Amino acid sequence: GIQVEQSPPDLILQEGANSTLRCNFSDSVNNLQWFHQNPWGQLINLFYIPSGTKQNGRLSATTVATERYSLLYISSSQTTDSGVYFCAVESNNDMRFGAGTRLTVKP
Amino acid sequence: DTGVSQDPRHKITKRGQNVTFRCDPISEHNRLYWYRQTLGQGPEFLTYFQNEAQLEKSRLLSDRFSAERPKGSFSTLEIQRTEQGDSAMYLCASSLGQGGAANYGYTFGSGTRLTVV
Repeated sequence: GIQVEQSPPDLILQEGANSTLRCNFSDSVNNLQWFHQNPWGQLINLFYIPSGTKQNGRLSATTVATERYSLLYISSSQTTDSGVYFCAVESNNDMRFGAGTRLTVKP
Repeated sequence: DTGVSQDPRHKITKRGQNVTFRCDPISEHNRLYWYRQTLGQGPEFLTYFQNEAQLEKSRLLSDRFSAERPKGSFSTLEIQRTEQGDSAMYLCASSLGQGGAANYGYTFGSGTRLTVV
């Protein structure tokens, strides 16, 4: 099946800093999504982004499907951004999540 | 619409018992997905439906796991003869999709936490 690798596994930032999270995948995909899992366990969809670039406030994402990677940018981070960020792909009836990046934003 | 609902939120059961979880998707969503998540891991895909058709079930963890979606509305996930290793969070998500993939992002429910003692 398709492999999804996320980096870095852990990230600690000071409030106000910027960060870039990466997702590499091993095969062509039909879609790609970024999720934030908050400390209470709820998964929130951030972006549906099989290709191209999208922005939503302080967050933006870019997927380069031909090179099989996606990037999630977080600018001016806040403590409420803490949690785990997952990349998930869908390919030929295979729906895979990466292992996630655990982000801690310190005040 | 209040999003994706899962019931119960928590379930404690004795080893060997059967359990059933329910998921009510967003009403206009035709796709419904089941995932399992254990502590410190990403969600693990189990199965999905498009309308009432179960299009992928080979990733169900064993023949003790089964899922249904009668009439393409709510779905149930049943685990028979539970084992301690089944303890996990069971997540349901729904989306819109045609053909081979979802065309929009998934909306997840809050999950059912299963503890097998």
